[in-house]
Amino acid sequence: DAGVIQSPRHEVTEMGQEVTLRCKPISGHNSLFWYRQTMMRGLELLIYFNNNVPIDDSGMPEDRFSAKMPNASFSTLKIQPSEPRDSAVYFCASSISRGSGNTIYFGEGSWLTVV
Amino acid sequence: SQQGEEDPQALSIQEGENATMNCSYKTSINNLQWYRQNSGRGLVHLILIRSNEREKHSGRLRVTLDTSKKSSSLLITASRAADTASYFCATTTGGYSTLTFGKGTMLLVSP
Repeated sequence: DAGVIQSPRHEVTEMGQEVTLRCKPISGHNSLFWYRQTMMRGLELLIYFNNNVPIDDSGMPEDRFSAKMPNASFSTLKIQPSEPRDSAVYFCASSISRGSGNTIYFGEGSWLTVV
Repeated sequence: SQQGEEDPQALSIQEGENATMNCSYKTSINNLQWYRQNSGRGLVHLILIRSNEREKHSGRLRVTLDTSKKSSSLLITASRAADTASYFCATTTGGYSTLTFGKGTMLLVSP
């Protein structure tokens, strides 16, 4: 299995620009997560999808952030407009949801720098 | 918000020594998991321990869970330079499938 695939791996963009991060979960997984990692705040859950439906988006920082999952094999996280404080590593992860005890598989992350 | 808090924040040892990392959490959990993150990479699952278990082993890893103290420990025996990484505990609570992570322990194993 190829694992969770994220793109781009690295992105540098100017403040105000739109950023779109992409994720392909592991085939057969029905739960998808977007996490953000910074030195100051550690790993934060942004949003959680189950069977393509957003279940918990309470971690999405503000309206500038949006996430979609149009089908079981693709998700996007969009930041518009981007700000320097959005600079972080954004991880996509997936799992098979069977109640408690799920192992979550992470992608390699998208390293975002907003200048 | 962080549910788990790892201790110490950083740990430096020599190859062959054992490394012990601790995790404390605040609310009742369904299970607790440990993950490893190599520099510049994603997180990799190491081991899961359920709330009704007290100890679990996997290779050189030993995890304990004390629900009365709301704490867990990860022991890596006979450490190797390749064990150098950050280690995170993560918990699931209630009916959710999501994981809440601590800030991690940075482990440095010197040859």
